[in-house]
Amino acid sequence: DIVMTQSPDSLAVSLGERATINCKSSQSVLDSSSNKNFLAWYQQKPGQPPKVLIYWASTRESGVPDRFSGSGSGTDFTLTISSLQAEDVAVYYCQQYYSTPYTFGQGTKLEIK
Amino acid sequence: QVQLQQSGPGLVKPSQTLSLTCAISGDSVSSNSDTWNWIRQSPSRGLEWLGRTYYRSKWYNEYAVSVKSRITINPDTSKNQFSLQLISVTPEDTAVYYCAREIYYFDHWGQGTLVTVSS
Repeated sequence: DIVMTQSPDSLAVSLGERATINCKSSQSVLDSSSNKNFLAWYQQKPGQPPKVLIYWASTRESGVPDRFSGSGSGTDFTLTISSLQAEDVAVYYCQQYYSTPYTFGQGTKLEIK
Repeated sequence: QVQLQQSGPGLVKPSQTLSLTCAISGDSVSSNSDTWNWIRQSPSRGLEWLGRTYYRSKWYNEYAVSVKSRITINPDTSKNQFSLQLISVTPEDTAVYYCAREIYYFDHWGQGTLVTVSS
């Protein structure tokens, strides 16, 4: 199984400041034939299911604000929120869909400082 | 627009069977491009993928090793839905269960069902 490890576990950032969440996979999720990273980022608010923000490591889902961006390749990935808004308080997860069993990171709880 | 509506009991006794259904609107369980999944979430296990069903000229199922001996995911084409059955449950199966559509990543999710295993 591919193990996904996020850092940090929790993060407090001031409104308007940048938030950065890291995700590391135990093996590469880059498909050489398509040159795509099979990595997604989700946002989960209390009482709601996860919502996809980013897929293919860096493609923003329709309707997601452009302050959210994803980067990285192979085994190391980053989710960046360029200017934190109050509504961004949530838990964020990375997930690999390179191979089953699909696996998620343990989550990063993002709060306002 | 795609919607997934979950139904099923929120309380199951130990050793009994957990059964949930996910009704699909705006898409087809028989789609040749989409895949239909069950995922659960608990404080101890986090988000855990359980398995999936999909149609590619014939039906396929795939299950997580952790539940493989106890799980069945079935499509119901007449009702455009799919179901989860987990037999011989224990308190460790207590979790919020989600159905989700996979188009590589999970782009649509059901609302979630908290299932508690307790006598």
